[in-house]
Amino acid sequence: DVKVTQSSRYLVKRTGEKVFLECVQDMDHENMFWYRQDPGLGLRLIYFSYDVKMKEKGDIPEGYSVSREKKERFSLILESASTNQTSMYLCASSPDRFLSYEQYFGPGTRLTVT
Amino acid sequence: EDKVVQSPLSLVVHEGDTVTLNCSYEVTNFRSLLWYKQEKKAPTFLFMLTSSGIEKKSGRLSSILDKKELFSILNITATQTGDSAVYLCAVEVGLYSGGGADGLTFGKGTHLIIQP
Repeated sequence: DVKVTQSSRYLVKRTGEKVFLECVQDMDHENMFWYRQDPGLGLRLIYFSYDVKMKEKGDIPEGYSVSREKKERFSLILESASTNQTSMYLCASSPDRFLSYEQYFGPGTRLTVT
Repeated sequence: EDKVVQSPLSLVVHEGDTVTLNCSYEVTNFRSLLWYKQEKKAPTFLFMLTSSGIEKKSGRLSSILDKKELFSILNITATQTGDSAVYLCAVEVGLYSGGGADGLTFGKGTHLIIQP
C-alpha cells in the first residue's frame, strides 16, 4: 500500500516565523504535490514537482516555496508565515512520469499561524 | 484510525448511462464529506455534505449523505465522455465548528471511464 506521510498533524507558529512542512512517500513516485484545503474553497494546488530538483507553480504559490532534493521527499516552506496561511496542508504523490490524476494523499497538517 | 472506502475502484460505462459511486466511512468527529473530480493535476471540488438526507445537485450530478449508515453516493445521469475522471471522496473531521477541520481522509477514488 502506498504511504504518504507528513511530518506533523498539528502545528502552531507565530507570524513571521519560517515554517517547514515535510512530506515523504515510500513508493518511488515521480510526482509530488502540495495543496491547501480551506472551508468552502476545496483543494487548491500550491506547488508540484515531477522530478528531483524540479518544481512548478500551482494556482496559489505566493508566500510559499518548495524543495525536492530527494525523490521521496517534498518540502513546503513558508518563508514568513502569515495568519492567512492558517489552513490544512495536504501532500500527495502520483506514480506516472507524466502528470497523473491517480494521486495518493497524506493525512494533512493543520497549521495555525497566530 | 479514520477510514474512507470508495467503490467500485473502477467503472467503465457507455455514454448516456447513469452511474452511482459509493463512499463509506468510519471516522471520529465527523464534520463533512466532500466529493472531488480529478482530471488533471488538481481535484475539482464538487459537493460538500454535512446533513443526512439532503440531496445536493449540480447539473447531471447529485449526491446525498446518510450519517446513520455512514455512507454517501454520487450519481451522474446521462453520462458524457467528459465525465471520465477519478472521483474522490474525502471526510473532514474535527471537534469544533467554525474554522478548518482537524483532519481530512481521502478514499482511493473511483476511476470512471465513459466510452462513446
